[in-house]
Amino acid sequence: GENVEQHPSTLSVQEGDSAVIKCTYSDSASNYFPWYKQELGKGPQLIIDIRSNVGEKKDQRIAVTLNKTAKHFSLHITETQPEDSAVYFCAASNRDSSYKLIFGSGTRLLVRP
Amino acid sequence: NAGVTQTPKFQVLKTGQSMTLQCAQDMNHNSMYWYRQDPGMGLRLIYYSASEGTTDKGEVPNGYNVSRLNKREFSLRLESAAPSQTSVYFCASSLQGSWNSPLHFGNGTRLTVT
Repeated sequence: GENVEQHPSTLSVQEGDSAVIKCTYSDSASNYFPWYKQELGKGPQLIIDIRSNVGEKKDQRIAVTLNKTAKHFSLHITETQPEDSAVYFCAASNRDSSYKLIFGSGTRLLVRP
Repeated sequence: NAGVTQTPKFQVLKTGQSMTLQCAQDMNHNSMYWYRQDPGMGLRLIYYSASEGTTDKGEVPNGYNVSRLNKREFSLRLESAAPSQTSVYFCASSLQGSWNSPLHFGNGTRLTVT
């Protein structure tokens, strides 16, 4: 089955700097890669996703890149703000097993004011 | 619109006790899920229900049972709790499978088994 590895486990950046979180996946059939943000005491919430027919997707300060050959994808947050502090999870699935979204282990991002 | 509602928010059990975690969604979603979250291990799928009347095992189903009571409600039962089941449990729902529609999560149930 699919295995998703996520790095780093913790990341501390200065406000205004960029943050990058990286994930690798094992199943070459995976073709859907969402990112979820979890704030303290809440459930995760989808912030951006990418499908394997594109290499990059942007939404304001957030972007995701995908390298299918290397089987890795990354989340980029630019101009970080204190409200970006949270735990971020990457995940992977494919159409045939679309109910089995496999998550990475999470990255705790701290943005220092 | 409450989204996904989980009860209770906190629970402490002794080893061997049983309990049911409740989940309800008001978004008319077809699919529902139960995940557990443990430090350093992310979210792991316990069971899911693709549609009303169906349930299937996820990555870590041992020690759990589920019931899709109706389209709105999906419960998780621990028949004989063990310390290894100490975790935060999240219920989620989606309109279709995760490939087509995002998961909407509840705020979790923190369970401690002593």
